[in-house]
Amino acid sequence: QVQLQQWGAGLLKPSETLSRTCAVYGGSFSGYYWSWIRQPPGKGLEWIGEINHSGSTNYNPSLKSRVTISVDTSKKQFSLKLSSVTAADTAVYYCAGGPYGIGRSFDLWGRGTLVTVST
Amino acid sequence: QSVLTQPPSVSGAPGQRVTISCTGSSSNIGAGYDVHWYQQLPGTAPKLLIYGNSNRPSGVPDRFSGSKSGTSASLAITGLQAEDEADYYCQSYDSSLSGSLFGGGTKLTV
Repeated sequence: QVQLQQWGAGLLKPSETLSRTCAVYGGSFSGYYWSWIRQPPGKGLEWIGEINHSGSTNYNPSLKSRVTISVDTSKKQFSLKLSSVTAADTAVYYCAGGPYGIGRSFDLWGRGTLVTVST
Repeated sequence: QSVLTQPPSVSGAPGQRVTISCTGSSSNIGAGYDVHWYQQLPGTAPKLLIYGNSNRPSGVPDRFSGSKSGTSASLAITGLQAEDEADYYCQSYDSSLSGSLFGGGTKLTV
């Protein structure tokens, strides 16, 4: 059974860079597109972006100028960097995976982690 | 504008049937892209409930069903149970975003 586990700083100050890494255990890495999704407290889900094992990326246009997603296939890990964070970036961040193909679903989810941006 | 619209809340008594709508546009559902549904229990990650408009992953009860028509999709839940109380989200691909789009979510109260 595939498991996703993420780590990174949980408390940031405004203007800092949010960094998170997600490791994939127990299943195929190359067979999925890997995404980052976030959920502000009490609000809905927002897709941040995605990457495949070859490093091909797609980003949400609303965040594209601040987001970088990278992959380390040898470690079965993918990472998120979000620069110049503000309080509006406070959210539970999820890593997730979905099959290849346009309009993919998110079949695999990691446990979310709350990232707080505060002075 | 790239938006999937869901009702903020729906409710039903145990045993009843409820439906949750998801209305999109010509850049997402109306363009023929699949709709997927997720169930999010309090304090947990979303769980895939319906994929490809109407398909259930293994382990999802057949009380849950999905459909799609035109620029909208619906999730139906029959035989409501207390454990179904959760937030439900639709998701599709949007050609304007070149990426995934979620609905605003619907809170189901049983």
